[in-house]
Amino acid sequence: SQQGEEDPQALSIQEGENATMNCSYKTSINNLQWYRQNSGRGLVHLILIRSNEREKHSGRLRVTLDTSKKSSSLLITASRAADTASYFCATDGRGGGSNYKLTFGKGTLLTVNP
Amino acid sequence: DTEVTQTPKHLVMGMTNKKSLKCEQHMGHRAMYWYKQKAKKPPELMFVYSYEKLSINESVPSRFSPECPNSSLLNLHLHALQPEDSALYLCASSQARSSQPQHFGDGTRLSIL
Repeated sequence: SQQGEEDPQALSIQEGENATMNCSYKTSINNLQWYRQNSGRGLVHLILIRSNEREKHSGRLRVTLDTSKKSSSLLITASRAADTASYFCATDGRGGGSNYKLTFGKGTLLTVNP
Repeated sequence: DTEVTQTPKHLVMGMTNKKSLKCEQHMGHRAMYWYKQKAKKPPELMFVYSYEKLSINESVPSRFSPECPNSSLLNLHLHALQPEDSALYLCASSQARSSQPQHFGDGTRLSIL
């Protein structure tokens, strides 16, 4: 089964620094999504990048996708304490009923220290 | 506040109890999902409903029984659960098209005694 694998598993930085998280996956995808989960809460969708896109921006977020390497990165610039959360990449399957199925990576726990 | 509402937020039940988890959304989404999440792990898909019909069951034990009574509601009926079923149960919804962002509720934290 395909599954995103994030690295690092945990990242601790100071407020104002940039945070970069990476995700690798195994099979062909339609798109890749990034989600954030604050402790004790549900997941929040951050950004979706399609397989024919290489880079996408949303506010302080920058996502890249390299389908030849089956990898993606999420960059958070000028981090804030409120960015402290777990970040998951999620991939879908190409075609058929698997289009509704998201497979989540193991996640990166980001801690932003004030 | 999330747009997907789950109740209850916390549930403690014995292994012989029957209980139900509820999920509601009013975004007009026609795809709804149940996930199970253990501590420090990613969510694992359990069920997907599309247009109120079950479209994906990820080989979930029959002690979990989903129900989608209408386009806004999703239930998960629980019976004879095991201690290893203790987890955070997340509901999500999305537009019923391929590759859509999913909107999650804050989950029900379930503890089995």
